Amino acid sequence: QSVLTQPPSVSAAPGQKVTISCSGSSSNIGNNYVSWYQQLPGTAPKLLIYENNKRPSGIPDRFSGSKSGTSATLGITGLQTGDEADYYCGTWDSSLSDVVFGGGTKLTVL
Amino acid sequence: QVQLQESGPGLVKPSETLSLTCAVSGYSISSGYYWGWIRQPPGKGLEWIGSIYHSGSTYYNPSLKSRVTISVDTSKNQFSLKLSSVTAADTAVYYCARRGVAAADDWYFDLWGRGTLVTVSS
Repeated sequence: QSVLTQPPSVSAAPGQKVTISCSGSSSNIGNNYVSWYQQLPGTAPKLLIYENNKRPSGIPDRFSGSKSGTSATLGITGLQTGDEADYYCGTWDSSLSDVVFGGGTKLTVL
Repeated sequence: QVQLQESGPGLVKPSETLSLTCAVSGYSISSGYYWGWIRQPPGKGLEWIGSIYHSGSTYYNPSLKSRVTISVDTSKNQFSLKLSSVTAADTAVYYCARRGVAAADDWYFDLWGRGTLVTVSS
């Protein structure tokens, strides 16, 4: 059971927009920055978003992040078949003194 | 560019110690950043194991702390993981990763190795 809760799967058509939620508590998301990772099949995770809404160099602005209270959201617009992947949220948990991740969300682009 | 490469045995026997090394190229570990390990059991999610600074300062996952040692060798520009008393539950892909430049309780990983599968089996 992951400390952060994500939906197991989401799906949308090419060109559409999708959002992935990540729910936590005051000891993690509520008081710390959230990051998001994309893991394409058979590859290592890749940083998409850090500090809630910042994109590393090279990440297209189709990817966005936001946080409100104890939840965070990853948004992806203009969906492409190449976006099919598992997406993970992560943050520091101040009570556990641990880096925690969500269980992951599998995105299917229909 | 900066690259991370894991190496070590792909098969470890139960109760023995898992040992992995991550070689860093394109950047001197002595220059900064925290460097660490994250694992992913087959078909499951990510679990942070721990991270180390070039000075030797470490942070460990509390649930693994009693079995984990992460060390750094600046002369070889690499860092290592030792996980003792392994069981089948430790079977996973092990990634080495760099923590991004961040404030105290801000943890994210901006650079990852390709990962190496370690199977615990007799």
